[in-house]
Amino acid sequence: DTEVTQTPKHLVMGMTNKKSLKCEQHMGHRAMYWYKQKAKKPPELMFVYSYEKLSINESVPSRFSPECPNSSLLNLHLHALQPEDSALYLCASSQATGSYNEQFFGPGTRLTVL
Amino acid sequence: QQQVKQSPQSLIVQKGGIPIINCAYENTAFDYFPWYQQFPGKGPALLIAIRPDVSEKKEGRFTISFNKSAKQFSLHIMDSQPGDSATYFCAARGGTFSGGYNKLIFGAGTRLAVHP
Repeated sequence: DTEVTQTPKHLVMGMTNKKSLKCEQHMGHRAMYWYKQKAKKPPELMFVYSYEKLSINESVPSRFSPECPNSSLLNLHLHALQPEDSALYLCASSQATGSYNEQFFGPGTRLTVL
Repeated sequence: QQQVKQSPQSLIVQKGGIPIINCAYENTAFDYFPWYQQFPGKGPALLIAIRPDVSEKKEGRFTISFNKSAKQFSLHIMDSQPGDSATYFCAARGGTFSGGYNKLIFGAGTRLAVHP
């Protein structure tokens, strides 16, 4: 199974709402990533977890809160978002040892903030 | 120095043509250069990747050419098909981390359209 799944596929939320994005993989990968992708732009790295510990936070605003409850799951908790946060949110995973580890991407969650 | 510059922004070719997408970088610490293909509504998928100690790599109809001295690399798609119409991103792995995970820096992307 080389699949990364993400739920929901689409999400519409108001600026006062609290919502969560979920990501799951069963490839035994111990590195998991959150990216943000705006239309016609490349993915931008937000967070990296390695062995369930936050390893990289690319100066992401605190209204985005990541969580890695176990080696297969990655969540992104959203609170008090702004309309400019509307984007495709991509999850990815990779091996966490060795070199040149391929990142496998999920299909993304299309988020719209009203 | 952390940028990867990609060109062209968009490309239109006829079926059977050979589109070429170019990327350039400045940071000599980059040590892994993958290309990703992304279809609308989908996440990026790894197409082919190369390390700087190799000058060329072929996988099926896709070829990466790498010029270490010029700090440039390019993707060639042989016998292009309408199904190859997608956005292509070059990337570079930036920095080294004890965790073994990758920090990828993406180029801006090239939207390729292959007409029948």
